[in-house]
Amino acid sequence: EPEVTQTPSHQVTQMGQEVILRCVPISNHLYFYWYRQILGQKVEFLVSFYNNEISEKSEIFDDQFSVERPDGSNFTLKIRSTKLEDSAMYFCASSAGRGALQPQHFGDGTRLSIL
Amino acid sequence: LAKTTQPISMDSYEGQEVNITCSHNNIATNDYITWYQQFPSQGPRFIIQGYKTKVTNEVASLFIPADRKSSTLSLPRVSLSDTAVYYCLVGDMGTSYDKVIFGPGTSLSVIP
Repeated sequence: EPEVTQTPSHQVTQMGQEVILRCVPISNHLYFYWYRQILGQKVEFLVSFYNNEISEKSEIFDDQFSVERPDGSNFTLKIRSTKLEDSAMYFCASSAGRGALQPQHFGDGTRLSIL
Repeated sequence: LAKTTQPISMDSYEGQEVNITCSHNNIATNDYITWYQQFPSQGPRFIIQGYKTKVTNEVASLFIPADRKSSTLSLPRVSLSDTAVYYCLVGDMGTSYDKVIFGPGTSLSVIP
């Protein structure tokens, strides 16, 4: 079964540094998402992306965050100047379409640790 | 998206059937009910979805009564590997449905 892959599995970064998290969505999917989960808390939506632009973003997704689909296969999340509170699991997801009948497929995440 | 309420945690012994009920009193006509499963240190995984009555797949069954104000995820004969958080979500099939909004879910612990 096709799956969403994320790299790296664990990223340790000094506060204030830039970090890029990478994702390879399922190949025929058109919609891409980033979520995060702070340890012990629920999964939170960050941003959705379709047709090379952001379609929706949450309050968490401020000017420090950006997303890009640099080629036909990768989808990246950049955090420009990391803060301690950015430490979390970051999940990438993709879906074939929008709506409840198009379930999102999640990767296993990147654990981001900010020191 | 309709608000959902489900137990925060449940315990079960191996081999038992587990039923997790989710309440969604303000479910709308176009809303579908979807369940995700999240194992420790993994991303959420879609397990089952339904609109009414009963849906069954290789992982679980989903029971939805006629009024659709609740739904029950049934896991037959659980094993230790079924220990996970189970999320109930309600959303419509329209094009406005973009993000998945996760609640705290139900943390299921399977005990040997």
